[in-house]
Amino acid sequence: QKEVEQDPGPLSVPEGAIVSLNCTYSNSAFQYFMWYRQYSRKGPELLMYTYSSGNKEDGRFTAQVDKSSKYISLFIRDSQPSDSATYLCAEAGGTSYGKLTFGQGTILTVHP
Amino acid sequence: EADIYQTPRYLVIGTGKKITLECSQTMGHDKMYWYQQDPGMELHLIHYSYGVNSTEKGDLSSESTVSRIRTEHFPLTLESARPSHTSQYLCASSGLGEQFFGPGTRLTVL
Repeated sequence: QKEVEQDPGPLSVPEGAIVSLNCTYSNSAFQYFMWYRQYSRKGPELLMYTYSSGNKEDGRFTAQVDKSSKYISLFIRDSQPSDSATYLCAEAGGTSYGKLTFGQGTILTVHP
Repeated sequence: EADIYQTPRYLVIGTGKKITLECSQTMGHDKMYWYQQDPGMELHLIHYSYGVNSTEKGDLSSESTVSRIRTEHFPLTLESARPSHTSQYLCASSGLGEQFFGPGTRLTVL
């Protein structure tokens, strides 16, 4: 079993929809949680970074962490065609501090 | 401006050549990483460094080698390139937790 499991998608939604992207993890030592966005043939771009349970909002993006359930989510409101990309969750902490464990990525397509 | 740089962005080379992929960061980070990513596939950590003169192999076995002589510089070398090395190579650095990635080098070995 992988330490991080991410809903594989792909997801296809109409412009303006609310998108929910999800990951579960098994390592209780994970303390830091991140969401990255990766456009085709580009490096991943950090979207959200949090280290506590609860919600963190940044514009149209909300990251949600539930440490008791080992579940993290990224919500995108009013989705735009420019949001079309692969979204990666990542976790870090414990003895591997500094090294990230990535999910497999979810491909999102937002149709105009 | 604090950033992370990779050169070249694209490289097409013949089998057996020695290549070095450059990675530099101006973010003042101690930790640096190299990932390999095939199209549409997961990121695989191949090397990392926690500081000058510190290098470790990552989760995915790689024939490449790295060095860390200066904090800001973390080059990756392939002594003899093979077609199986064709991939995208991503460099990253981190301070406290989150990693920041460079634009990547897309390597094609013919």
